[in-house]
Amino acid sequence: DTGVSQNPRHKITKRGQNVTFRCDPISEHNRLYWYRQTLGQGPEFLTYFQNEAQLEKSRLLSDRFSAERPKGSFSTLEIQRTEQGDSAMYLCASSLVMAGYGYTFGSGTRLTVV
Amino acid sequence: KQEVTQIPAALSVPEGENLVLNCSFTDSAIYNLQWFRQDPGKGLTSLLLIQSSQREQTSGRLNASLDKSSGRSTLYIAASQPGDSATYLCAVERKGNNDMRFGAGTRLTVKP
Repeated sequence: DTGVSQNPRHKITKRGQNVTFRCDPISEHNRLYWYRQTLGQGPEFLTYFQNEAQLEKSRLLSDRFSAERPKGSFSTLEIQRTEQGDSAMYLCASSLVMAGYGYTFGSGTRLTVV
Repeated sequence: KQEVTQIPAALSVPEGENLVLNCSFTDSAIYNLQWFRQDPGKGLTSLLLIQSSQREQTSGRLNASLDKSSGRSTLYIAASQPGDSATYLCAVERKGNNDMRFGAGTRLTVKP
């Protein structure tokens, strides 16, 4: 297993378009997290899954955002009707349900809304 | 609510210096604290993980300490090199929550 994989690496889209990102976690990890990071800031939590269940969503996750993990493996994050304020790095991480295990992050998807 | 603060925001040192990065958090009820490195435009690379029952962890030239009672952690980098230039992020996983909270990071520049 080569770690957490995210695609695409970069996405440029016009305002108002929909975009979808994919995350493939480490295969034995049952927790998957999405974070958003803007320039000069630390990552901010968006949502997480345990297996296929979405267990928590941040207030940052407006109704234009939706995340799925249909079979408890890969996950997708969709943003509808993108706005310029959505421009950010979207990071995915995976972990085990084990206190003190820690997170493994992917390389991220850089979204630019023009 | 867990607040994580990192000081300084930026640091520039000459090559070879030993340096300390600081992280403080407001809620001491944590599972673990993790230090990450982030290069410009890249994802996060885990450096060290300290579980709540531990006081420190070491990896090569890096040493991280944890003082839960005072809500502080330090990352010590020995004999810094230009390749250490990056942003260093501290994150804590709080008991009862299911996500890690991050500081804004310290941007380190090591000059040759």
